[in-house]
Amino acid sequence: SQTIHQWPATLVQPVGSPLSLECTVEGTSNPNLYWYRQAAGRGLQLLFYSVGIGQISSEVPQNLSASRPQDRQFILSSKKLLLSDSGFYLCAWMWGLNTEAFFGQGTRLTVV
Amino acid sequence: RKEVEQDPGPFNVPEGATVAFNCTYSNSASQSFFWYRQDCRKEPKLLMSVYSSGNEDGRFTAQLNRASQYISLLIRDSKLSDSATYLCVVNLPGSRGSQGNLIFGKGTKLSVKP
Repeated sequence: SQTIHQWPATLVQPVGSPLSLECTVEGTSNPNLYWYRQAAGRGLQLLFYSVGIGQISSEVPQNLSASRPQDRQFILSSKKLLLSDSGFYLCAWMWGLNTEAFFGQGTRLTVV
Repeated sequence: RKEVEQDPGPFNVPEGATVAFNCTYSNSASQSFFWYRQDCRKEPKLLMSVYSSGNEDGRFTAQLNRASQYISLLIRDSKLSDSATYLCVVNLPGSRGSQGNLIFGKGTKLSVKP
C-alpha cells in the first residue's frame, strides 16, 4: 500500500530564517506531488505541483520554492521566512488526472 | 466567482439530524469531484468521490449535477463523530496530460451536539 510521510509535524521559526520541509511517498512510482498551504480560517491553497523529477510548477508567487530531487521526494523551501508564511503545510500525492489526493499529516509552521 | 464555493457554515445540529452540504464550481472543464473530511488540526481525508449517477456509502449520499455545476453531500442520522469540516473538492485537468489539480472549497464546519 502507498504511504506518504511528511516532517516535521510542528515548527517554530524566526522571521528571516530558512525553511526546509520534506515529503516522501512509498509504495508507488511517478506520482504527481503537491504542496498546499492552509492559513488559519482559510481554505487549502495550492503552492506547487510536480509531475516528475525536476519538474516544478508554481501556482502563486511567493518567497517559497519547491524541488523534486527524486521520484518520491518533494521538498518545500524558503531562504527567508516571513510572518505571513505561517500556516499548515500539506504534502499530497495523486495517481494523475481524475483521481483523489492522499495527504501527509502536515507541518504546522509558526513564524515568530 | 470563486472556483469552488461552499456554504460558509458552521452547522450546529443535534445527534440524529440530517445535514445537507452544498457546493458549486465555476469551471465546466472539471472532471472529477470529491468530498473530504478534515478534523481539527489534521490533514484532509477522502470521504467519498462524487459521480453523476449519485453514490451512497452508509449514512452518506453524494450527488453531482453537471448542468448546474452543483455538488451535494447528505449525512443522515448524524453522529457526534461526524463533527468535522467538510471540504468540497474539484479536480481540474492540468496543462499536461497526466497532471490534475485539486481545487478545494473553504469547507463547512459541522458540529453535532448530544
